[in-house]
Amino acid sequence: KAGVTQTPRYLIKTRGQQVTLSCSPISGHRSVSWYQQTPGQGLQFLFEYFSETQRNKGNFPGRFSGRQFSNSRSEMNVSTLELGDSALYLCASSLVLSQETQYFGPGTRLLVL
Amino acid sequence: GNSVTQMEGPVTLSEEAFLTINCTYTATGYPSLFWYVQYPGEGLQLLLKATKADDKGSNKGFEATYRKETTSFHLEKGSVQVSDSAVYFCALSDSARSGGGADGLTFGKGTHLIIQP
Repeated sequence: KAGVTQTPRYLIKTRGQQVTLSCSPISGHRSVSWYQQTPGQGLQFLFEYFSETQRNKGNFPGRFSGRQFSNSRSEMNVSTLELGDSALYLCASSLVLSQETQYFGPGTRLLVL
Repeated sequence: GNSVTQMEGPVTLSEEAFLTINCTYTATGYPSLFWYVQYPGEGLQLLLKATKADDKGSNKGFEATYRKETTSFHLEKGSVQVSDSAVYFCALSDSARSGGGADGLTFGKGTHLIIQP
């Protein structure tokens, strides 16, 4: 069974731009969660989607948003990029609930200049 | 709120040494506990998990026991290899949040493990 895939793997943007990242979960998994990983803050939960609905949200500003499609694929969007948004963005999928085991993709590394 | 505390390292060991990485947690409910491993340039891989008190998770020679009385989930391996060099993350998932949801996984800061030949 194919794992979680994320595209693109690397991105370079400038301040003020916006970016969209994509995540395809493991086949049959319906819950998708997003995390931000930085050297300073570590791994932080962004949000979780299930059945096209945001179920939970972490403590991030409204510039961070996401959505989920009927095939469970998910996208996250960051608008008005700031230098501090430079990070590895990880997507994880689980069968139904985020409390279950989450399986991570390789991540998208975003650099904001 | 929930939190996970683990030694950050780096932890440097010789090949075949015994490994312990300590992890303690604070949670409001009845969490499931996980260890994930991250190799350079890659995402997180699930190493092992335990879902209730006294459960022992094990995989690839690694073990960890869910200790509710000490709120701990220490990772151990009897004989480490150079290929075990990576960053190890302890994490919890708490199902007790009101409404039944959960705020994703709560991670420790990660422990950088270096194994020398």
